[in-house]
Amino acid sequence: GAVVSQHPSWVICKSGTSVKIECRSLDFQATTMFWYRQFPKQSLMLMATSNEGSKATYEQGVEKDKFLINHASLTLSTLTVTSAHPEDSSFYICSARELAREGPQHFGDGTRLSIL
Amino acid sequence: QKEVEQNSGPLSVPEGAIASLNCTYSDRVSQSFFWYRQYSGKSPELIMSIYSNGDKEDGRFTAQLNKASQYVSLLIRDSQPSDSATYLCAVRGYGGSQGNLIFGKGTKLSVKP
Repeated sequence: GAVVSQHPSWVICKSGTSVKIECRSLDFQATTMFWYRQFPKQSLMLMATSNEGSKATYEQGVEKDKFLINHASLTLSTLTVTSAHPEDSSFYICSARELAREGPQHFGDGTRLSIL
Repeated sequence: QKEVEQNSGPLSVPEGAIASLNCTYSDRVSQSFFWYRQYSGKSPELIMSIYSNGDKEDGRFTAQLNKASQYVSLLIRDSQPSDSATYLCAVRGYGGSQGNLIFGKGTKLSVKP
């Protein structure tokens, strides 16, 4: 089945640090990747949609200057949390959809980010 | 506003019973429907996809779709404690915003030994 690799799994860092999270589709090409955030006991929240070779589309209320998204190839998208603060601590999950638009989204294992 | 509604639960069933999870959606032209399972602290994993009316079976799982009623369900037969998780219903509309899935908030299932 389609595999999405997300790295790193865990990040613990000091306030003010920038953190980069990578999302790779390992055995399929993904023109579109999605970034979600999930706080404890809450539902998935879509942050942005990332299209290969173009600017990401951010959901309302998500600061694009704080959450930088790059989708440079059909298999790689990155999310950089710039100058992270404790309130950015959350579970960040990427997902990717195969080129056929009707197909499902496949999720990475997520990155648990803790800002001290 | 396109919406996907699920009962948050928790839905509690005894081991071996059938668990029935339900989902309704608001966008009448939705074309693709998915069920994901999410264990606590983990990311969602795809269980079933269904695109046409009727039933689709895969092992102990059966997805049922009724587009006229805008309703999709997931049945889990012979429920096991390992099935205890949150089940997310996801819907994609026709030509929807970049093909985004709209997720329900999930139903928490608890299977008691």
